[in-house]
Amino acid sequence: GQSLEQPSEVTAVEGAIVQINCTYQTSGFYGLSWYQQHDGGAPTFLSYNALDGLEETGRFSSFLSRSDSYGYLLLQELQMKDSASYFCALGGATNKLIFGTGTLLAVQP
Amino acid sequence: DTAVSQTPKYLVTQMGNDKSIKCEQNLGHDTMYWYKQDSKKFLKIMFSYNNKELIINETVPNRFSPKSPDKAHLNLHINSLELGDSAVYFCASSQVQETDTQYFGPGTRLTVL
Repeated sequence: GQSLEQPSEVTAVEGAIVQINCTYQTSGFYGLSWYQQHDGGAPTFLSYNALDGLEETGRFSSFLSRSDSYGYLLLQELQMKDSASYFCALGGATNKLIFGTGTLLAVQP
Repeated sequence: DTAVSQTPKYLVTQMGNDKSIKCEQNLGHDTMYWYKQDSKKFLKIMFSYNNKELIINETVPNRFSPKSPDKAHLNLHINSLELGDSAVYFCASSQVQETDTQYFGPGTRLTVL
């Protein structure tokens, strides 16, 4: 089967940089996605890595290393509104996403 | 312009009742999904439809029955509700070739008493 592990909580201060890690086990997949979910809200798509390396989208970047079964989401210039849960997710040939355990990011002033 | 909408937003009901949740998307996507998010925020796929055809049916009790009248709508009917069904249910949609980029509805918080 497939599984993805993330740290349960991360705390950082406004203006800082934070990295949220995701390690996975799978027999095959197409890419690794990242979603953000504010408390009481819906998951929203942030970033996708089909290939190894870094993808940058504004203040957010995502990285994938297939050889290490590892990825991360990097958030720069943290803002209070970035306080949310972040999920990594594996996508594959089965047309479904398998979500990670989620990381609650708390941004402090 | 609402992309993916769900009704109702909140649903409180007694054990043993039957309830339905409706989902509509106006993004022109051909694939729609139902997810269940439990109290620990674990998000799990339940069903997926592509052009009204069921393509994913995870290990879900057969008390849950999805129905897709057209590719813009995917409803979820739940029979004989149990306490363990209490969760937030999310509908989502995507293009079939871009399943990694899914658009989620606002969710339906179901509470079974």
